[in-house]
Amino acid sequence: QKEVEQDPGPLSVPEGAIVSLNCTYSNSAFQYFMWYRQYSRKGPELLMYTYSSGNKEDGRFTAQVDKSSKYISLFIRDSQPSDSATYLCAIRNTGGFKTIFGAGTRLFVKA
Amino acid sequence: KAGVTQTPRYLIKTRGQQVTLSCSPISGHRSVSWYQQTPGQGLQFLFEYFSETQRNKGNFPGRFSGRQFSNSRSEMNVSTLELGDSALYLCASSLRDSKETQYFGPGTRLLVL
Repeated sequence: QKEVEQDPGPLSVPEGAIVSLNCTYSNSAFQYFMWYRQYSRKGPELLMYTYSSGNKEDGRFTAQVDKSSKYISLFIRDSQPSDSATYLCAIRNTGGFKTIFGAGTRLFVKA
Repeated sequence: KAGVTQTPRYLIKTRGQQVTLSCSPISGHRSVSWYQQTPGQGLQFLFEYFSETQRNKGNFPGRFSGRQFSNSRSEMNVSTLELGDSALYLCASSLRDSKETQYFGPGTRLLVL
C-alpha cells in the first residue's frame, strides 16, 4: 500500500465550477500536509501548507485536513482555465527530512 | 531573487551510459533535495543534502548518487543508465532543511534509449 494515494484523474470541469481534489494517507505519524501545483514543463510550486486538522483558506483555495480519517482535500472555488495543471498532495512526518508526494491529479478547466 | 536553476533541461542518453545533472539553489538556501518524477510512480524522493553532507536517502539503487559543493550547488549522477531511468529529475531547495518550504526548479527531462 502506498503511503499517499491520489486519484490521477484527469478531472475536467467548466469554468466557474468548484473543484475538489483529495488524497488519503496511511500513517498517522504524518503531521504536515501540503498541496503543490505543477504546470506543464515546470517544477511544482507550493500552494498550501498546513499542520492541523480543519480548514485553511487562501483566496480561492481551501485546504482541509481530517486526521481521524487520514484524508486531505483541496477545494478550488470559481475555477479558471489558468488553474489547469497537475495538483500534488504531499505529506511529511514531524521529524522527517523526507516529503512524500501523491501521484498528482491532472485538472482541466474549460472556458 | 533568482529561482532554482537546473541544467541541462533536456538530455538523451543510451542504456549503459552515465549522466550528471546540476542544480543551483536559491541564493542563501543550504538544503537541496532531488526527486524523480515519472507518470507511473509520481514524485519520488532520491536524497537530500545539507552543508555538503547527504542527510537523507530514498529507496533508489546505488547507481544514483549525488553531492553538494561548498556553495550549496548540487549534482546528481546516474551510472549505467537503464530505460526505466527516463524521467523528469527535479531539484528543490530550502533555507535550512526540507521541513521548510521547498522551492522546485524546472527539472531536467532525461530520456534513455
